[in-house]
Amino acid sequence: EAQVTQNPRYLITVTGKKLTVTCSQNMNHEYMSWYRQDPGLGLRQIYYSMNVEVTDKGDVPEGYKVSRKEKRNFPLILESPSPNQTSLYFCASRWTVNTEAFFGQGTRLTVV
Amino acid sequence: QQPVQSPQAVILREGEDAVINCSSSKALYSVHWYRQKHGEAPVFLMILLKGGEQKGHEKISASFNEKKQQSSLYLTASQLSYSGTYFCGTEPAVEVTFGIGTKLQVIP
Repeated sequence: EAQVTQNPRYLITVTGKKLTVTCSQNMNHEYMSWYRQDPGLGLRQIYYSMNVEVTDKGDVPEGYKVSRKEKRNFPLILESPSPNQTSLYFCASRWTVNTEAFFGQGTRLTVV
Repeated sequence: QQPVQSPQAVILREGEDAVINCSSSKALYSVHWYRQKHGEAPVFLMILLKGGEQKGHEKISASFNEKKQQSSLYLTASQLSYSGTYFCGTEPAVEVTFGIGTKLQVIP
């Protein structure tokens, strides 16, 4: 089954404790992205990647890192999480430009 | 820069029609439409490419006017299952930028 898998689905952590949210897709898609969703702000792009070793900042990249060492994986790293990073995070992948995006199930992160 | 969606929220009775608008300040290659149910991931509805082609998906259709950088989503004879938040996504370059969303509630 074609899918984008994120882990974990829920995470509560403390300020400053490094964490990684994993994202994997099995569709051989070139493009992958991370979004955060907050009430009243919609989906805002954090980072995106057009291929292995090619990443670029989205609209809200501060406090986040990503890597794309393999085509299927695109982890999101929070080196020192802060409470303002409490949010619902979505990973998405798509074949190329002007094609539909497939979203993961989402990761609800709470930083206390 | 996020595209602007209107209205922000709408309540419909079953069988009524609705239009959701999306506009961008940038020239666009394509416009995407997605629906998100509460607590779930956004799900793709359709994508419109440059050329002004109108697309349809069951009783949901959309148009794209690339000269005006605007798109509209048309929901006809709404059903309870249409409830959710609708997002437009615009592609001025290689990334997809989403609007804030339009919350649609269909009531019996």
